[in-house]
Amino acid sequence: GQQLNQSPQSMFIQEGEDVSMNCTSSSIFNTWLWYKQEPGEGPVLLIALYKAGELTSNGRLTAQFGITRKDSFLNISASIPSDVGIYFCAGEDFNFGNEKLTFGTGTRLTIIP
Amino acid sequence: DAGVTQSPTHLIKTRGQHVTLRCSPISGHKSVSWYQQVLGQGPQFIFQYYEKEERGRGNFPDRFSARQFPNYSSELNVNALLLGDSALYLCASSSPEGTGLLIDGELFFGEGSRLTVL
Repeated sequence: GQQLNQSPQSMFIQEGEDVSMNCTSSSIFNTWLWYKQEPGEGPVLLIALYKAGELTSNGRLTAQFGITRKDSFLNISASIPSDVGIYFCAGEDFNFGNEKLTFGTGTRLTIIP
Repeated sequence: DAGVTQSPTHLIKTRGQHVTLRCSPISGHKSVSWYQQVLGQGPQFIFQYYEKEERGRGNFPDRFSARQFPNYSSELNVNALLLGDSALYLCASSSPEGTGLLIDGELFFGEGSRLTVL
């Protein structure tokens, strides 16, 4: 099935560093979402974006909905150990009135002590 | 308040067998979606049900089926299991109020049922 292109695949950073990851699609989406998944758990919603060009923050997290509606980025400032996990972007396609989400391939964030 | 609950959390089956996975949505949520997450990949959409009716179906074979009950809980059934069906199966609930749109991005996931097919 289709998955969005997410980069980088993995990141190894030191605590306190800023993180940036992005997501691109060949299709237009009406909503972009960013999720975080930790081992043994389901994805947890971090940020939702509803308008092209929208820039939204949630604490140390900032995300933007690309103007073309085909891309989005997520930034994490001043990383801390609890930021470790896999980050997924997801685009919402509400054709036919359903809530189908198309997820990215994920970015695995590791913090080096 | 309880979140999305799924059962069983882990199970092992052999090829050709059948499996039923269960999901209870957050109280008040009327929509349930199912996703398959193969190791190392993002979740893939399988089904969405709203008010007991199928609203959407992903690119999965007919061996996959689901239903939603009057209390909004849901079952995912997979027949004739293949090795490639080994994955984490995630259930998510939401309250789209009939618009089909996410409201505040509120799609809440359970912890998943990890299926291993031998």
